[in-house]
Amino acid sequence: DAKTTQPPSMDCAEGRAANLPCNHSTISGNEYVYWYRQIHSQGPQYIIHGLKNNETNEMASLIITEDRKSSTLILPHATLRDTAVYYCIVRGNTGKLIFGQGTTLQVKP
Amino acid sequence: NAGVTQTPKFQVLKTGQSMTLQCAQDMNHNSMYWYRQDPGMGLRLIYYSASEGTTDKGEVPNGYNVSRLNKREFSLRLESAAPSQTSVYFCASIRTLAGGPSYNEQFFGPGTRLTVL
Repeated sequence: DAKTTQPPSMDCAEGRAANLPCNHSTISGNEYVYWYRQIHSQGPQYIIHGLKNNETNEMASLIITEDRKSSTLILPHATLRDTAVYYCIVRGNTGKLIFGQGTTLQVKP
Repeated sequence: NAGVTQTPKFQVLKTGQSMTLQCAQDMNHNSMYWYRQDPGMGLRLIYYSASEGTTDKGEVPNGYNVSRLNKREFSLRLESAAPSQTSVYFCASIRTLAGGPSYNEQFFGPGTRLTVL
């Protein structure tokens, strides 16, 4: 499974969009991009996943570049409750999730 | 549905003691996973079970054993606990399709916080 690179930390103002980048330059054709987040050392929570098309659900949007070497998770209107560690994971057909250190997003009032 | 449940929530052991962490899911998922998370780090996969009756090693299996008791339950055993095993342990499960893993979300339990003195 491919590795990912994320910035260690980011800040975002409450009510604004939070854009979290992820590089996965070694991704292969059958590997999906997943995003999870972890709040206060709780169990990780699934956010969204995608293969090559952009995806949107009630929580977030996922933008994947055409070459699939990078992606961006967008939280359209960040709230204080979105403060968490966000993990970008590339997952293949083994079903295993390989976590990196993630991005700590701090939403500020 | 309770989702993924883990017991105990907290545990303190002395070096050399043994214990079993329990995990159960009521979502009829085929695949189950055990992770550990050290302070300030991401999760690391210890063992997983793609289906009932099968188990495989993950990134950090040394010092652990697992048992897939039935479809619902997947336990993690520390035979002789060491201070290096002080960590938070998460269990997870996912529904899979015939022939391999699906690309659905993985559900995580609340974690077991283990301290080994």
